[in-house]
Amino acid sequence: EAGVTQFPSHSVIEKGQTVTLRCDPISGHDNLYWYRRVMGKEIKFLLHFVKESKQDESGMPNNRFLAERTGGTYSTLKVQPAELEDSGVYFCASSPAGGFPYEQYFGPGTRLTVT
Amino acid sequence: GDSVTQMEGPVTLSEEAFLTINCTYTATGYPSLFWYVQYPGEGLQLLLKATKADDKGSNKGFEATYRKETTSFHLEKGSVQVSDSAVYFCALSSNQGGKLIFGQGTELSVKP
Repeated sequence: EAGVTQFPSHSVIEKGQTVTLRCDPISGHDNLYWYRRVMGKEIKFLLHFVKESKQDESGMPNNRFLAERTGGTYSTLKVQPAELEDSGVYFCASSPAGGFPYEQYFGPGTRLTVT
Repeated sequence: GDSVTQMEGPVTLSEEAFLTINCTYTATGYPSLFWYVQYPGEGLQLLLKATKADDKGSNKGFEATYRKETTSFHLEKGSVQVSDSAVYFCALSSNQGGKLIFGQGTELSVKP
């Protein structure tokens, strides 16, 4: 069974540009999460999808970030326009509905560098 | 709000040394507790977990016990190997199916 995949693995963009990150969860997982780790600090929650619906988006930093999950399958996270402080590693995770409580499976992350 | 604090790194040990990485938490209710590990170039992997007080999670020689009285979930291993070099994250979840709250991560380097 394929794990959580993320694309691209690394992105370097200039301030003011737009970047779209993609996450493909494990097939059949209803829950999909986005997290971010900035400059070696703690990993912070961004948002949580249940199927195609946003269950919790309390961690989204501002309206420059837009997340979607088309048809309850893959998800995209768009940053527009990017700022220097958006640099970091963006992780996606998924978990099945009714699975072991709270266990989430993580992707390898996308390293975003804004210059 | 809920939070996790873990000891700062980097931690450097010699092979076969004893490892402790401290983790304490603040949470309302009864959270589940986790240790995740990130090996170089890879994503986070669940290392072990505990869902209620006094539970002990264990995997690959690592152990951690959920201590409600001290709000702690310290990670231990009796004899580390070079292959244990990684970044270790303590985390909690207060809500079923909900978000994880992580500590800042502790980088472990094990030298031969």
